[in-house]
Amino acid sequence: GQNIDQPTEMTATEGAIVQINCTYQTSGFNGLFWYQQHAGEAPTFLSYNVLDGLEEKGRFSSFLSRSKGYSYLLLKELQMKDSASYLCAVRDRSNDYKLSFGAGTTVTVRA
Amino acid sequence: IAGITQAPTSQILAAGRRMTLRCTQDMRHNAMYWYRQDLGLGLRLIHYSNTAGTTGKGEVPDGYSVSRANTDDFPLTLASAVPSQTSVYFCASSRDRDTEAFFGQGTRLTVV
Repeated sequence: GQNIDQPTEMTATEGAIVQINCTYQTSGFNGLFWYQQHAGEAPTFLSYNVLDGLEEKGRFSSFLSRSKGYSYLLLKELQMKDSASYLCAVRDRSNDYKLSFGAGTTVTVRA
Repeated sequence: IAGITQAPTSQILAAGRRMTLRCTQDMRHNAMYWYRQDLGLGLRLIHYSNTAGTTGKGEVPDGYSVSRANTDDFPLTLASAVPSQTSVYFCASSRDRDTEAFFGQGTRLTVV
């Protein structure tokens, strides 16, 4: 499958900004997805990038550079409820459009 | 409320037993997936189906089988369970093979 790398853990203060990076390698890139997963729950869809640039959705933004195989998820005005795992996932059209996930980044928001 | 439903929610299973995890969606999504999630390893794709009547192998298919007889249902079968199959299993679906996936609530399976 794809090599999808993201940091294991990040810690930030309530009200601050955190940037979660994701790098990937794929021969048939067909979209990058970010999911949020709270402990003991199912992943929920946050954002989708298929073209280069920034997609903004409220306090969350996601950026993509296809030439660099790089994306980031930006969380602004952090709230305690943002403490969760954030998963980066990539679709590969050269591999039957399989959706592969990184191991996830656990974000802890402290007061 | 439309969505994706998995059953059972949790199960303790004796090694060597056969088990089918059920997954049903009512969103008329074409594609469905089975993932397992283990601590430190993230979500790993077991099997998938891009459309009813077709299935494919994911990253970790050994010991598992699936069928996709219709659009709504995508059961996952463990023919003879082993302790290494202890995991949380998530079923997911997407409208098409290139759109975002939506996840069921998960099945926590313990093989003893």
